[in-house]
Amino acid sequence: AQRVTQPEKLLSVFKGAPVELKCNYSYSGSPELFWYVQYSRQRLQLLLRHISRESIKGFTADLNKGETSFHLKKPFAQEEDSAMYYCALSGRLSSYKLIFGSGTRLLVRP
Amino acid sequence: NAGVMQNPRHLVRRRGQEARLRCSPMKGHSHVYWYRQLPEEGLKFMVYLQKENIIDESGMPKERFSAEFPKEGPSILRIQQVVRGDSAAYFCASSFGSRAGYEQYFGPGTRLTVT
Repeated sequence: AQRVTQPEKLLSVFKGAPVELKCNYSYSGSPELFWYVQYSRQRLQLLLRHISRESIKGFTADLNKGETSFHLKKPFAQEEDSAMYYCALSGRLSSYKLIFGSGTRLLVRP
Repeated sequence: NAGVMQNPRHLVRRRGQEARLRCSPMKGHSHVYWYRQLPEEGLKFMVYLQKENIIDESGMPKERFSAEFPKEGPSILRIQQVVRGDSAAYFCASSFGSRAGYEQYFGPGTRLTVT
């Protein structure tokens, strides 16, 4: 079954602390993995995708095929990082069909 | 570019009524997707449309739900005879193409409440 699991509903850290948002997936084949972010009162937007291998706003995510994970990391959290984060995947054949996890709310305290 | 537009933002319907949700894609985008988000869950794919065509409706409930994307005008998601379980946030997204590499841009969502 195709599934994305985000085990934490809420992650609270202090400003300047490292952040790791966990994402595990189940997919038979080679999926594409994404992280989407939704800031307060804003739309859902793409943060990064694994094929780009970019660092966006200080965030990185490495695809670990052995552990089927795509955790999102940032070494030093900022208050403006507080948002809802969704991990998602799509398959090669139906790449338009995004499968989302249930999301993790990141709260960065001052 | 105003981005993907959805209206209404909030919709209240009584059980048995019809709900019509509208989505105007970004300028230049001809691919539209609808997702549903139930409370405490992630977004779930419902349907993918191009102009005048339904490409993939594998996520649509078999009854009461329908979608269209006419040649002119917005895409419409229609829910007939709504039930309490239809209460959710419905998101529309659009893209320039459908292959990998084309980003989906999301609208603000329509929150449907069935009383």
